[in-house]
Amino acid sequence: EAGVAQSPRYKIIEKRQSVAFWCNPISGHATLYWYQQILGQGPKLLIQFQNNGVVDDSQLPKDRFSAERLKGVDSTLKIQPAKLEDSAVYLCASSLYPGAKGQGNSPLHFGNGTRLTVT
Amino acid sequence: AQKITQTQPGMFVQEKEAVTLDCTYDTSDPSYGLFWYKQPSSGEMIFLIYQGSYDQQNATEGRYSLNFQKARKSANLVISASQLGDSAMYFCAMREGNTGKLIFGQGTTLQVKP
Repeated sequence: EAGVAQSPRYKIIEKRQSVAFWCNPISGHATLYWYQQILGQGPKLLIQFQNNGVVDDSQLPKDRFSAERLKGVDSTLKIQPAKLEDSAVYLCASSLYPGAKGQGNSPLHFGNGTRLTVT
Repeated sequence: AQKITQTQPGMFVQEKEAVTLDCTYDTSDPSYGLFWYKQPSSGEMIFLIYQGSYDQQNATEGRYSLNFQKARKSANLVISASQLGDSAMYFCAMREGNTGKLIFGQGTTLQVKP
């Protein structure tokens, strides 16, 4: 099966500019996640979608970050305006619905990420 | 409060030897799952092994095994017969209940010496 697809692979922007990242999950995966990974740290969840509804966005800086998952498949994460501290790798992941019977052990499958540098 | 703690920032191991990567966790939910991921320098996150809180036996997957000590709230990863390709960052992660999301630790960098 095809894995999680993300684009672009790299992006360099100046502070106060805007940027968008795209993610296409594994076919059939109802749950989609966006994580931020700052260099040398573990990934931190930004937002979790179940189909096209938001399940958890408690750590999303909503004054500058937004995300959508139209039609419950592809997703876009946007930053506007970007700050220097947003420099990180943005990882998209998908999984089967963990609340379904027998799926509690369903791992997250990650894309290769987008490395964002804000100058 | 930190839910997943990996206290070893970096580890070295000689090729063909075994190595243990430590992970402790904190949760009040009786139902949870513990995951280990490998992240090579290329950046992709590779799922290695899973342990459920109700599993009676320690999980094993090839050269990977999980030393699960529920009372101590620890879930250490054991890699047997280390290979040069095992050099990477390793992350321990936890899922509480059926929330879906994983909470990650800070990671441990493993270097395998020839």
